[in-house]
Amino acid sequence: GAVVSQHPSRVICKSGTSVKIECRSLDFQATTMFWYRQFPKQSLMLMATSNEGSKATYEQGVEKDKFLINHASLTLSTLTVTSAHPEDSSFYICSASPRVTEAFFGQGTRLTVV
Amino acid sequence: AQSVSQHNHHVILSEAASLELGCNYSYGGTVNLFWYVQYPGQHLQLLLKYFSGDPLVKGIKGFEAEFIKSKFSFNLRKPSVQWSDTAEYFCAVRNGSSNTGKLIFGQGTTLQVKP
Repeated sequence: GAVVSQHPSRVICKSGTSVKIECRSLDFQATTMFWYRQFPKQSLMLMATSNEGSKATYEQGVEKDKFLINHASLTLSTLTVTSAHPEDSSFYICSASPRVTEAFFGQGTRLTVV
Repeated sequence: AQSVSQHNHHVILSEAASLELGCNYSYGGTVNLFWYVQYPGQHLQLLLKYFSGDPLVKGIKGFEAEFIKSKFSFNLRKPSVQWSDTAEYFCAVRNGSSNTGKLIFGQGTTLQVKP
């Protein structure tokens, strides 16, 4: 299957700082990527849809100014958690689709804000 | 709005036991259905998917799922589990009429297989 690479896999940051997470599709182009957040023992909750060359579409309740998404190329989307706080600590997962009927997931990023 | 419900949150089985994980969705239109597995420390992997045709879908590693439209269900089954099946299992739904790959996930089921 297609490969989606997410970096970093783990990050610890101080409260108030910003963290950038990258999601790359390694062997296909993706006009659309998705960002999910997973709380312990819970499901993946869609945060936003990242569209290449245009603004991201955020799900209800997700703060656009806190979770900045940039999809600058057909193989790269970034999620920046701005002014991170301990409650932003979570597991963030991206997915990319070579076609709308198929999604491939990154390995996830464990963010810990201290 | 679409939603997905997985009834079993934590399942413990012995090796060779049969497995069935429930998944129900709420959406009246055309749906695409998926089961994903997440092994400890690894990324989500597709087990199987249903788009149309035969409602009994066979996936990898001996898993299968049956789409029952009248019950809005897509239960996952495996006749005989192995210790290596210990993982988190997620059911997901996509609006089949949509032009995006947006997925809605269920809460997940933790499967623990005892050797």
